[in-house]
Amino acid sequence: DGGITQSPKYLFRKEGQNVTLSCEQNLNHDAMYWYRQDPGQGLRLIYYSQIVNDFQKGDIAEGYSVSREKKESFPLTVTSAQKNPTAFYLCASSPGGGRYEQYFGPGTRLTVT
Amino acid sequence: GDSVTQMEGPVTLSEEAFLTINCTYTATGYPSLFWYVQYPGEGLQLLLKATKADDKGSNKGFEATYRKETTSFHLEKGSVQVSDSAVYFCALGSYSNYQLIWGAGTKLIIKP
Repeated sequence: DGGITQSPKYLFRKEGQNVTLSCEQNLNHDAMYWYRQDPGQGLRLIYYSQIVNDFQKGDIAEGYSVSREKKESFPLTVTSAQKNPTAFYLCASSPGGGRYEQYFGPGTRLTVT
Repeated sequence: GDSVTQMEGPVTLSEEAFLTINCTYTATGYPSLFWYVQYPGEGLQLLLKATKADDKGSNKGFEATYRKETTSFHLEKGSVQVSDSAVYFCALGSYSNYQLIWGAGTKLIIKP
């Protein structure tokens, strides 16, 4: 069954700690994305990658970092520099090649106290 | 730049009512258009799409028609159910950066 997996579903961390959110896809998609969603709000783009070993900052990249060493994987690190990290994080992938539709994982809810 | 405007929510309807959620866009050329649905605590699901003018996307009783003249892609359903309660997002595929440009989302509440 093809899809996008994010783990864990819920994540709790203390302030000052870095934390890495996992995102894996087996859809053979070229592009991958990370979004942040705050309660009752829309989507804000953090980082995206159109191809392996390349990625670009989105609208709210400060305090986050990513890597794209494999086509299937696009992990997001929330660093201690992110002032307000508690949020719902969504990973998505897209086929590329002129097709824009994105397919989403189930999300990770991060709580930092 | 490209943008998407959705009607503000929440939209509250009774079961079996007719639904319209408005979506208009500003873009260069003729972008692909999408509707996504998000149930509480979940990721977004692609509901339907249209890739050119006058195309009608449909899925699970929902429909939307790509109207070039009015730059709109309104979501409709003839008879809503309680299970349709969710947040609905309109989006367009931007030629400038190969990304989706998102509307703010519209929360739909269906009362039995």
